[in-house]
Amino acid sequence: GAVVSQHPSRVICKSGTSVKIECRSLDFQATTMFWYRQFPKQSLMLMATSNEGSKATYEQGVEKDKFLINHASLTLSTLTVTSAHPEDSSFYICSAGAGGLEETQYFGPGTRLLVL
Amino acid sequence: AQSVTQLGSHVSVSEGALVLLRCNYSSSVPPYLFWYVQYPNQGLQLLLKYTSAATLVKGINGFEAEFKKSETSFHLTKPSAHMSDAAEYFCAVKRPGGGNKLTFGTGTQLKVEL
Repeated sequence: GAVVSQHPSRVICKSGTSVKIECRSLDFQATTMFWYRQFPKQSLMLMATSNEGSKATYEQGVEKDKFLINHASLTLSTLTVTSAHPEDSSFYICSAGAGGLEETQYFGPGTRLLVL
Repeated sequence: AQSVTQLGSHVSVSEGALVLLRCNYSSSVPPYLFWYVQYPNQGLQLLLKYTSAATLVKGINGFEAEFKKSETSFHLTKPSAHMSDAAEYFCAVKRPGGGNKLTFGTGTQLKVEL
């Protein structure tokens, strides 16, 4: 089956620093990758859609300069949380789709970010 | 715009009992529907999906769901609950040709008791 990995699984950083999270599709080429944010006991909120070789499309209310997304290849997308603050602490999950009309999104295991 | 409503944020069943998790959708066009499961501190795993083929969809771990257009529902069921089924379950909808964006429900926490 399709496998998506994320790295790191957990990160703790100081306020004001930047954190990069990687999302990789291990056994398929992902034409589209998605980044979600999940607060405790809540559902997933889509932050942005990332297409290989083009700029990401951000959802309303998501600061593109705060959450930098790069989709450099068909198997790798990165999310960089710039100048992180405690309110950015959350569970970040990526997903990848292989394309097609019935595209199924395959999810990574998530990254727990804690900003002190 | 499409949306899903999951009735019941918490459901508790006894081991061996029927599991029924409810999902109703709203969509201007026939949607694609998905059920995902999330275990603590993990990502989402696809249980099953409906993409306009058979209305009764069988998934992994003994789960199944039936697409009922007249009721705009896609409820998830399992005949006999197992302790390992305890997790958070999310229903999601996607509009075919709508950029592949998923819209998730608020989730249902399933508890399985002995």
